[in-house]
Amino acid sequence: GQQLNQSPQSMFIQEGEDVSMNCTSSSIFNTWLWYKQDPGEGPVLLIALYKAGELTSNGRLTAQFGITRKDSFLNISASIPSDVGIYFCAGQVNAGGTSYGKLTFGQGTILTVHP
Amino acid sequence: DGGITQSPKYLFRKEGQNVTLSCEQNLNHDAMYWYRQDPGQGLRLIYYSQIVNDFQKGDIAEGYSVSREKKESFPLTVTSAQKNPTAFYLCASKSGASPAEQYFGPGTRLTVT
Repeated sequence: GQQLNQSPQSMFIQEGEDVSMNCTSSSIFNTWLWYKQDPGEGPVLLIALYKAGELTSNGRLTAQFGITRKDSFLNISASIPSDVGIYFCAGQVNAGGTSYGKLTFGQGTILTVHP
Repeated sequence: DGGITQSPKYLFRKEGQNVTLSCEQNLNHDAMYWYRQDPGQGLRLIYYSQIVNDFQKGDIAEGYSVSREKKESFPLTVTSAQKNPTAFYLCASKSGASPAEQYFGPGTRLTVT
């Protein structure tokens, strides 16, 4: 089946630093999503990308849909303590023009921000 | 407030017992999903439903069952046939107007001993 490789697995940074993480796949996805999960809670949608090459921002977060459609990147600028959590990428393939919305998830990047 | 609710937050059961996890949404979303999350892993799809009275198996459906009698509700039953049921279970929903954006509930942590 399809798999997403997310890296790095974990990051330890100082408050104020910028953060970059990425997600790669051996197969093409037509949609990329980025979620953040706080401990013991459900993931929250951060950014959705629908077009190859698309660059989308949400506050201090910026995500890009890779040109090859096999990867996506998430950047967080000027990190703050509340950025702590697990960040997941998710990809979707729309088969035959229809989609039941099935997402394939990466393993997650655990972000720790030291004040 | 619109959203997805899952209850209870924590659930404890003895091995061999079936248990049903609740998922309710008032977002008027057509599609609903159940995922399982284990430590250090991504989310894995158990079952999904695109419309009322219809549901399909996901990647890890064995040992689970669902029903979709109402648009707002998509309960998941973890049966005694599920060999490793202890996990964090997440319910999600998606509008028919959106191709991909799923919104998640707060999750239920199930512990079976």
